Amino acid sequence: AQSVAQPEDQVNVAEGNPLTVKCTYSVSGNPYLFWYVQYPNRGLQFLLKYITGDNLVKGSYGFEAEFNKSQTSFHLKKPSALVSDSALYFCAVSPKKGGSARQLTFGSGTQLTVLP
Amino acid sequence: SAVISQKPSRDICQRGTSLTIQCQVDSQVTMMFWYRQQPGQSLTLIATANQGSEATYESGFVIDKFPISRPNLTFSTLTVSNMSPEDSSIYLCSVEVAQYENGYTFGSGTRLTVV
Repeated sequence: AQSVAQPEDQVNVAEGNPLTVKCTYSVSGNPYLFWYVQYPNRGLQFLLKYITGDNLVKGSYGFEAEFNKSQTSFHLKKPSALVSDSALYFCAVSPKKGGSARQLTFGSGTQLTVLP
Repeated sequence: SAVISQKPSRDICQRGTSLTIQCQVDSQVTMMFWYRQQPGQSLTLIATANQGSEATYESGFVIDKFPISRPNLTFSTLTVSNMSPEDSSIYLCSVEVAQYENGYTFGSGTRLTVV
């Protein structure tokens, strides 16, 4: 069975500093990996994905994530945090079945707070 | 990517009643997914809805409690039946975008409070 771990419930960072939100995963075979963001009272928004190719994936709003197969990690990063980045972030993994996945397993979420 | 309209956005319901949540997609999709997000928790898949067949439910979820309809390739409904306060959650629908161009797209969610 696949699983996703987000070891930090809460991450606080000062505005302008780099941020990292951690994610590790467990899945059979090659994974599809995703990051989603949820702002208060809103649904999930797609940030970025890793399917194959370059280990460093660039996504929306200046976010990027690094896929590390040996460490089974997919940490979300941003060089300079903004107060508006404060939100709930979810990592997700999907299995690769015949080239197409059918469901996502989400991590427990990490609340990011960027302090002015 | 697909655009999903989900409604209602929120509701407060009396225990013992039922609420039907609607999800409309602006393009035809093979599968639609329904998730539950309990307060302070991550998302849990309730069921997968295919057009023209019965929905496939995940462990812990049953059709009598969460009946799903999928009458065509752009629309689905989820009903939360005989509600209790434990059903208070955010319910989201989702679709898979072909070839993972943008992963999965989610509706804005329905925030349900049962009193």
